[in-house]
Amino acid sequence: GAVVSQHPSWVICKSGTSVKIECRSLDFQATTMFWYRQFPKQSLMLMATSNEGSKATYEQGVEKDKFLINHASLTLSTLTVTSAHPEDSSFYICSASRPGAGTGELFFGEGSRLTVL
Amino acid sequence: AQRVTQPEKLLSVFKGAPVELKCNYSYSGSPELFWYVQYSRQRLQLLLRHISRESIKGFTADLNKGETSFHLKKPFAQEEDSAMYYCALGPYGGATNKLIFGTGTLLAVQP
Repeated sequence: GAVVSQHPSWVICKSGTSVKIECRSLDFQATTMFWYRQFPKQSLMLMATSNEGSKATYEQGVEKDKFLINHASLTLSTLTVTSAHPEDSSFYICSASRPGAGTGELFFGEGSRLTVL
Repeated sequence: AQRVTQPEKLLSVFKGAPVELKCNYSYSGSPELFWYVQYSRQRLQLLLRHISRESIKGFTADLNKGETSFHLKKPFAQEEDSAMYYCALGPYGGATNKLIFGTGTLLAVQP
């Protein structure tokens, strides 16, 4: 159990358009999900904490108007990259904590690669 | 500031050789340390956590507060151990499952 799925796995878009990435917990309810960004050969950079039914908490330096996060249900969080530009091209990963799992045990999605032309 | 440092980007060993993946941290308070692993074309998954004091797939890691280290060790590497390993630290920012990740070490086990 404890599967997290992201969609799409990869997306290419034109500069100026918006792109939505979904993160779903398939077999458990996730009150909290996390969104990360990973640059090539670098670590996962936490962007924001997505809380079901409330506003996301963004890390310092992350533009909340640029990266819109919505956690409308206990199994779905979405990340929308608004007015995307080439510098937004990256690998975006989500994770979720499952009720009853140990502290720090996160279940990760497979990631979504965004390429902005 | 809270930080995780993995000094080696790549560690290449031969099958059967001992492995030590280094992880140092900076944290004010009582940290919880984790090792996550990502095998080729798979998602990131938890390997082990210091609080459990467990051995998973032959890997162990001991938290050394004096040296602020949490090195991952295995006495005899196997080819299937080849993967990307991330050391992680938490909690921070007041949230239980918010983790800080290191930059990762790619372990390559040669036959």
